[in-house]
Amino acid sequence: DAKTTQPNSMESNEEEPVHLPCNHSTISGTDYIHWYRQLPSQGPEYVIHGLTSNVNNRMASLAIAEDRKSSTLILHRATLRDAAVYYCIRLNTNAGKSTFGDGTTLTVKP
Amino acid sequence: KAGVTQTPRYLIKTRGQQVTLSCSPISGHRSVSWYQQTPGQGLQFLFEYFSETQRNKGNFPGRFSGRQFSNSRSEMNVSTLELGDSALYLCASSGGGYSGANVLTFGAGSRLTVL
Repeated sequence: DAKTTQPNSMESNEEEPVHLPCNHSTISGTDYIHWYRQLPSQGPEYVIHGLTSNVNNRMASLAIAEDRKSSTLILHRATLRDAAVYYCIRLNTNAGKSTFGDGTTLTVKP
Repeated sequence: KAGVTQTPRYLIKTRGQQVTLSCSPISGHRSVSWYQQTPGQGLQFLFEYFSETQRNKGNFPGRFSGRQFSNSRSEMNVSTLELGDSALYLCASSGGGYSGANVLTFGAGSRLTVL
């Protein structure tokens, strides 16, 4: 199954780090790991992606397990604007196999 | 640079009608993929087009179809609408083709309500 597994929901306090886990135990060698987030009434927005090594950008960090069967999206200091549904997805050239899971709804408390 | 534009943003149809949704990708992007999002099923892949050719297709009935034009704009069509087709339809474009190395840029979606 190409779907990833994520917790349904997580909570965080504002200004604190958030670690969002994702399980992709059946990942293949050519699958990239992508993270997108979706605010209400909007399309998903790209956050970060990687293949094997940990990745950083201005929005977040992505930590990929050595066996690549899991990954963690790290928001270093959560803000109220980070409240969204976060999707972890395996992406490769076969679009039909790149399936979005149910995502994690992140709630950020002030 | 302009993002992915989807039209119309909202529409209401009745059962049995058909609908056509449009997606204009980011300039230079040649891959356009379509997704259906419903509360119960989440985001489900419909199909992907690259250079006017359908390269991948999800598990949807033949009532769902699409096409891509030479300028990379894409349309999807749903015929004989059913109540269960009510959903947010999203398209995403990708530069350099649909590949894990490339980022998907989504439009805001077209919300279809079938009465």
